[in-house]
Amino acid sequence: DVKVTQSSRYLVKRTGEKVFLECVQDMDHENMFWYRQDPGLGLRLIYFSYDVKMKEKGDIPEGYSVSREKKERFSLILESASTNQTSMYLCASSLGGNAGRVKTQYFGPGTRLLVL
Amino acid sequence: AQKITQTQPGMFVQEKEAVTLDCTYDTSDPSYGLFWYKQPSSGEMIFLIYQGSYDQQNATEGRYSLNFQKARKSANLVISASQLGDSAMYFCAIRTDKLIFGTGTRLQVFP
Repeated sequence: DVKVTQSSRYLVKRTGEKVFLECVQDMDHENMFWYRQDPGLGLRLIYFSYDVKMKEKGDIPEGYSVSREKKERFSLILESASTNQTSMYLCASSLGGNAGRVKTQYFGPGTRLLVL
Repeated sequence: AQKITQTQPGMFVQEKEAVTLDCTYDTSDPSYGLFWYKQPSSGEMIFLIYQGSYDQQNATEGRYSLNFQKARKSANLVISASQLGDSAMYFCAIRTDKLIFGTGTRLQVFP
């Protein structure tokens, strides 16, 4: 079974702090994704990565950056956390390649971040 | 651009009954995939079922089936014989170059 783990289930940070959310997958997937989930808005894509050291902006990248130094690990960074970044953050991974468009994404358990 | 619409914010169903969760989509890409995910209160997103745009038959996975009507651009999820553990948020999603989610339907199964 695919396993995607996230470093924290719950996180409380103060405005202005730098926040790291870590995601690790154990299935050698090429693609990794970060989403945020807010009530009434569904899931929105922040950043994704097709390979090590590669990153692409999603729909809402402002205020975030990412790092992918190793294939299995994809980190989401909030350079200076703000209250409007209070949300549920979900990491996902999938196989890549030419058929990547129909590959299933597998999700981690999510991190609920509260920024005070 | 692609779009997913789930018009039911919430649904109730009695245990052992079947329930249909609606999903319509819009895309100009001829090749796409449709997904349903379940999100229980614990927060994790659980993949349920997948339908490819060129698949001739409706996808089925155990008690889950996807009623795919391509001409109407709908991909409704049917859960047969509902169980209390089916209570959760359900998200429909479409994938062309990236995965786009609907806003979800909260299903509540009562005894």
